[in-house]
Amino acid sequence: RKEVEQDPGPFNVPEGATVAFNCTYSNSASQSFFWYRQDCRKEPKLLMSVYSSGNEDGRFTAQLNRASQYISLLIRDSKLSDSATYLCVVKPVTGTYKYIFGTGTRLKVLA
Amino acid sequence: EAQVTQNPRYLITVTGKKLTVTCSQNMNHEYMSWYRQDPGLGLRQIYYSMNVEVTDKGDVPEGYKVSRKEKRNFPLILESPSPNQTSLYFCASSRSPLQEPPLHFGNGTRLTVT
Repeated sequence: RKEVEQDPGPFNVPEGATVAFNCTYSNSASQSFFWYRQDCRKEPKLLMSVYSSGNEDGRFTAQLNRASQYISLLIRDSKLSDSATYLCVVKPVTGTYKYIFGTGTRLKVLA
Repeated sequence: EAQVTQNPRYLITVTGKKLTVTCSQNMNHEYMSWYRQDPGLGLRQIYYSMNVEVTDKGDVPEGYKVSRKEKRNFPLILESPSPNQTSLYFCASSRSPLQEPPLHFGNGTRLTVT
């Protein structure tokens, strides 16, 4: 089983739709979680960190479910500019230097 | 502007010809790391450095070397490149990862080894 797993997609959604991605992780001791956005083989850019209580940034909401070991990203009112690959990143253990990347979920928002 | 700078952006070389990809950050970050990204495999860590003169292997270190003589620079060296090292490479940095900060990435180096 991979340490971090994501559905590769693509998720094709119309403009204005709400879309959600999940990311599962295998190490129950994992402490830090992030969502990154990557456009067409460019560098990944931090979209948002994921906090235990869940957090929201504009149209984006991230949640953590420790019991089921997954994080989620919800995008409301999708824009064409949201088309990208979304990478889930997990830092397995506090005090180590390792970040585990998912392979990404590709989103296409259609006009 | 706070940034991580990689050079070159594109590189085509032949098997066995030594090359260096440079990485520099201007944020006084302690932690720096190199990743390679291949289709279907995601980003995999090659080497990382916790501070000057402190480096360690990541998941796929074979065929690569690094050095950290100064805090801002973390070059990736391929002593004898082979075609299986054709990939997209990213350098990243962050404050001490003990504080759980996010990573800042350079804009990537696309390497082709023929």
